[in-house]
Amino acid sequence: QKEVEQDPGPLSVPEGAIVSLNCTYSNSAFQYFMWYRQYSRKGPELLMYTYSSGNKEDGRFTAQVDKSSKYISLFIRDSQPSDSATYLCAMPHTINSGGSNYKLTFGKGTLLTVNP
Amino acid sequence: EAQVTQNPRYLITVTGKKLTVTCSQNMNHEYMSWYRQDPGLGLRQIYYSMNVEVTDKGDVPEGYKVSRKEKRNFPLILESPSPNQTSLYFCASSSDWNQPQHFGDGTRLSIL
Repeated sequence: QKEVEQDPGPLSVPEGAIVSLNCTYSNSAFQYFMWYRQYSRKGPELLMYTYSSGNKEDGRFTAQVDKSSKYISLFIRDSQPSDSATYLCAMPHTINSGGSNYKLTFGKGTLLTVNP
Repeated sequence: EAQVTQNPRYLITVTGKKLTVTCSQNMNHEYMSWYRQDPGLGLRQIYYSMNVEVTDKGDVPEGYKVSRKEKRNFPLILESPSPNQTSLYFCASSSDWNQPQHFGDGTRLSIL
């Protein structure tokens, strides 16, 4: 089982739709959760960062974490054509019990297109 | 402006010809990292550095070297590039290993 699974899509929605993007993870020790947005020919940029179960809202974006199910989501309300991009979930973690080896694992990304 | 700068942005070269991709950040970040991004495989970590003179392997370190002699710079070295290293490479930095990373705009390498 992969550490982080993300449906690659592609996902195509009309402008104004609510978009739901999801990732699952296998390691219950993961504590930190990030969502990045990547436009074509650019580096990923951080959208949301959270480290607790529950919801975190920032404008039209809401990040949701359910640690009991090992499931995270990103919701985009009132989606705009400018939201068309690849969305990546990412989870930093240590890879040994001593905590001296650090890693950032990404999902493979979901390509979203918002049509005007 | 806070930024991570990579050079070159594009490079086409031949097998076996040593190359270096530079990375510099202006945010005084401790943690820096290199990734490669390939279709169907996503972003994979090559090497990371917790601080000056402290580096460690990520998921796919074979064929790469790094050094961290100064806090702001973290070059990626391909001593003998091969075609399977053709990819899009990103450098990133953050204040700590569990904090959000700032990414450069990428370097597209083609090894013929």
